[in-house]
Amino acid sequence: GENVEQHPSTLSVQEGDSAVIKCTYSDSASNYFPWYKQELGKRPQLIIDIRSNVGEKKDQRIAVTLNKTAKHFSLHITETQPEDSAVYFCAAASYNTDKLIFGTGTRLQVFP
Amino acid sequence: DTGVSQDPRHKITKRGQNVTFRCDPISEHNRLYWYRQTLGQGPEFLTYFQNEAQLEKSRLLSDRFSAERPKGSFSTLEIQRTEQGDSAMYLCASSLADTSRGYNEQFFGPGTRLTVL
Repeated sequence: GENVEQHPSTLSVQEGDSAVIKCTYSDSASNYFPWYKQELGKRPQLIIDIRSNVGEKKDQRIAVTLNKTAKHFSLHITETQPEDSAVYFCAAASYNTDKLIFGTGTRLQVFP
Repeated sequence: DTGVSQDPRHKITKRGQNVTFRCDPISEHNRLYWYRQTLGQGPEFLTYFQNEAQLEKSRLLSDRFSAERPKGSFSTLEIQRTEQGDSAMYLCASSLADTSRGYNEQFFGPGTRLTVL
């Protein structure tokens, strides 16, 4: 069935360092890959997404890369700040089903 | 607040009782989704609607769960004969389906946290 694996489950970095979170999906029909940030006790919020016709997308300190052949996609955060500390979820969806299949999350801690 | 809203925010119930949650999507959004999130896990898809039609339901959803969106606006999720394993955060999301874009962002509500004693 559809599955999204996410690694690592926890990630601790020093302020200013980069953080990378990786996901692998199983459904070859997937063509939309969003990343959500969830702070403690709050709702998930979209931070960036990528569609299958694009290999990379950047938005200020955040970038996402997609390798459709390997079914891998990754989130890159540069110049991390303490306010980046949260749980990050990757997800995958295909246009014909429209449901999001989420990874298990990565707890990112940025130490000042 | 013009975002997705959910009510109640917290619900404590005893095993065997029925509970109902409500979700109000962003007003022009025609798609509405329900997810369940347990501690330390990502949201898990339950079901979704386009307008009032329920288009997909997870195989994981037992027959104790039912969802409706009678007028294509708000939605309710009912759990009958609750079990301790139903304890979770129930998240609602909405989106505006636009076939020209291929896919559309889902906006999440704050969730209803259910505790079954």
